[in-house]
Amino acid sequence: AQSVTQLDSHVSVSEGTPVLLRCNYSSSYSPSLFWYVQHPNKGLQLLLKYTSAATLVKGINGFEAEFKKSETSFHLTKPSAHMSDAAEYFCVVSDQYGNKLVFGAGTILRVKS
Amino acid sequence: EAQVTQNPRYLITVTGKKLTVTCSQNMNHEYMSWYRQDPGLGLRQIYYSMNVEVTDKGDVPEGYKVSRKEKRNFPLILESPSPNPTSLYFCASRGGGYGETYEQYFGPGTRLTVT
Repeated sequence: AQSVTQLDSHVSVSEGTPVLLRCNYSSSYSPSLFWYVQHPNKGLQLLLKYTSAATLVKGINGFEAEFKKSETSFHLTKPSAHMSDAAEYFCVVSDQYGNKLVFGAGTILRVKS
Repeated sequence: EAQVTQNPRYLITVTGKKLTVTCSQNMNHEYMSWYRQDPGLGLRQIYYSMNVEVTDKGDVPEGYKVSRKEKRNFPLILESPSPNPTSLYFCASRGGGYGETYEQYFGPGTRLTVT
C-alpha cells in the first residue's frame, strides 16, 4: 500500500521569497508522484508529475519538485512566490496500475505582500 | 473544450434520501473516478472505473454506488450513505490504458450537505 505525508499543514511566505512544500511518500514499488493545486472554490489542477524519468521535474508556473528515493521525498519548490500562488497544494502517489490515487492531507500556502 | 462536468454543483438534502450526482467527460477517457474531500483529510477515492461495466472500490466506498454504462458518464449514487456524506465531491478522468499514469482531469466539484 502507498501513503503520503505532507509535513506542513500551513506555510506562509512573503511575496518574492522561495517556497518549499514538503512531501514524504511510502510505496512498495517504484511510485508515480504528482503535485496538484487547488485555488479557493476551484477544482484541482496538475502542477507536475514524476513517472521514473528525470528526478528533477519542472511544472507549470515556475514550480519544480525533486524525487529523492533515498529520502522517500518529493518536495515542491519555487524560487520566488507570487500572490497568485496562494492556494492549497496536494502531494499524490499513484498505485502501480495507475488506478488508485492517494492524496496527502494538503498544505495551505499563504503569500504575504 | 476538453472538460469534466458535474451536476449539480450544490445540493442540500436530508438523511435517507437517495440522490445521484452525475459526471460526464468529453475526452473519450476510459478511466473515471470519484473522490470526496474533507478538511484535513485531502481527497479520498470512493470508486473508480477502468472502462464501461468495469468498476472497483476505492478507499471509502461505504454508502455509495456507481455505474458505468457509457464511456462518457460515471454517476455517483448515494443511497443511505454512512458515515456523514456532507462533503465536497470530485469526479476525475484520465486517458491511457491499464497501468498508465497520465494525469487525471478533475471536475469542478459538487458540494453536498445532508441535514
